[in-house]
Amino acid sequence: SQTIHQWPATLVQPVGSPLSLECTVEGTSNPNLYWYRQAAGRGLQLLFYSVGIGQISSEVPQNLSASRPQDRQFILSSKKLLLSDSGFYLCAWSPGPSPHEQYFGPGTRLTVT
Amino acid sequence: RKEVEQDPGPFNVPEGATVAFNCTYSNSASQSFFWYRQDCRKEPKLLMSVYSSGNEDGRFTAQLNRASQYISLLIRDSKLSDSATYLCVVNAGNFGNEKLTFGTGTRLTIIP
Repeated sequence: SQTIHQWPATLVQPVGSPLSLECTVEGTSNPNLYWYRQAAGRGLQLLFYSVGIGQISSEVPQNLSASRPQDRQFILSSKKLLLSDSGFYLCAWSPGPSPHEQYFGPGTRLTVT
Repeated sequence: RKEVEQDPGPFNVPEGATVAFNCTYSNSASQSFFWYRQDCRKEPKLLMSVYSSGNEDGRFTAQLNRASQYISLLIRDSKLSDSATYLCVVNAGNFGNEKLTFGTGTRLTIIP
């Protein structure tokens, strides 16, 4: 069966510091991968998605970036965090191609202070 | 108009009651529809897909009305463990488009 991992589970970072969140999927190959952010009391906002290694689509212009160095690895990064980057970051995968349901990892709760 | 709209609730329902949620979507070309549940401070989890003919999974029934562009979820004999936020999810509509759009959710609390 497929499993999706995210780490760290929680993170507290000062404004201006860098960020790296990692997501890995097991038990499948060539998944579609997604990064979402959920601000407190808000809906899910799609940040990036990827249909293959090195292929990244950005949904929202901001100070975040994503990379997919391996088939089942998806990384979310920032060079300098802003207070507004606080939120619950969720990685998801789908069997692809569209349209398919998505399955979420446990998430990383980021607080920027 | 929002792409996916849900009544935020909260719905406070006694245990054993039946509760129904509706969700409307704006893109008539959407092809896939889902209900997810999200517990407090946890990730969303797929509850069920919604098929054109309607589908049932135990106490849960989902229906799709393409003409009116709405999706419904019915929960019968509600349990305390059904307390959660229910997210209506729709794909973007273009075949090959990899994106899903999530509603902001309907919060349900089952009261003992």
